[in-house]
Amino acid sequence: GQQVMQIPQYQHVQEGEDFTTYCNSSTTLSNIQWYKQRPGGHPVFLIQLVKSGEVKKQKRLTFQFGEAKKNSSLHITATQTTDVGTYFCAGNRYSTLTFGKGTMLLVSP
Amino acid sequence: DAGVIQSPRHEVTEMGQEVTLRCKPISGHNSLFWYRQTMMRGLELLIYFNNNVPIDDSGMPEDRFSAKMPNASFSTLKIQPSEPRDSAVYFCASSLLAGVSHNEQFFGPGTRLTVL
Repeated sequence: GQQVMQIPQYQHVQEGEDFTTYCNSSTTLSNIQWYKQRPGGHPVFLIQLVKSGEVKKQKRLTFQFGEAKKNSSLHITATQTTDVGTYFCAGNRYSTLTFGKGTMLLVSP
Repeated sequence: DAGVIQSPRHEVTEMGQEVTLRCKPISGHNSLFWYRQTMMRGLELLIYFNNNVPIDDSGMPEDRFSAKMPNASFSTLKIQPSEPRDSAVYFCASSLLAGVSHNEQFFGPGTRLTVL
């Protein structure tokens, strides 16, 4: 079956440092979604990428979709304590959406 | 719209008891998902309905778990009998399936289940 791998599992940064999480699928995807889950909360949709090589930005967050539509990344510039949480990617293929295990981000002030 | 509604928010029960979790998806959404989240296993898809029909239940752990969606506005996930290893947060999510691609999923607040 379809597998979506995310690395790293966990990252601890100082406030102001950058952060990147990577997502890799075993199969070509029709699109990929990213979600953020705050501690004690539920996953909340951030963005969806559809086109090969697509890059989208949301303030300090930059999302990329690979040319082969099998990998994606989320980069946060100058992290803030409000960025704390777990970031999940979810790969969409045919009518199946598969979540990665997530990357837990901890930001120290 | 109130979003996805789940009840109860917290459930503490004893091993062997039946547990029923409830979900009301967002009106107009045609897909509903049940997930289980634990520290060890992360976010696992248990079952997925489209237009009230179960499409993929390969994630349902075993026969003790069952899910129903009698209409477009209500779904239940039942565990009978419950075991301590079922302790987890159970999320319900809904989305609109357009063609073969899912749009964003809206998650409910989750039910934190503790089985003693």
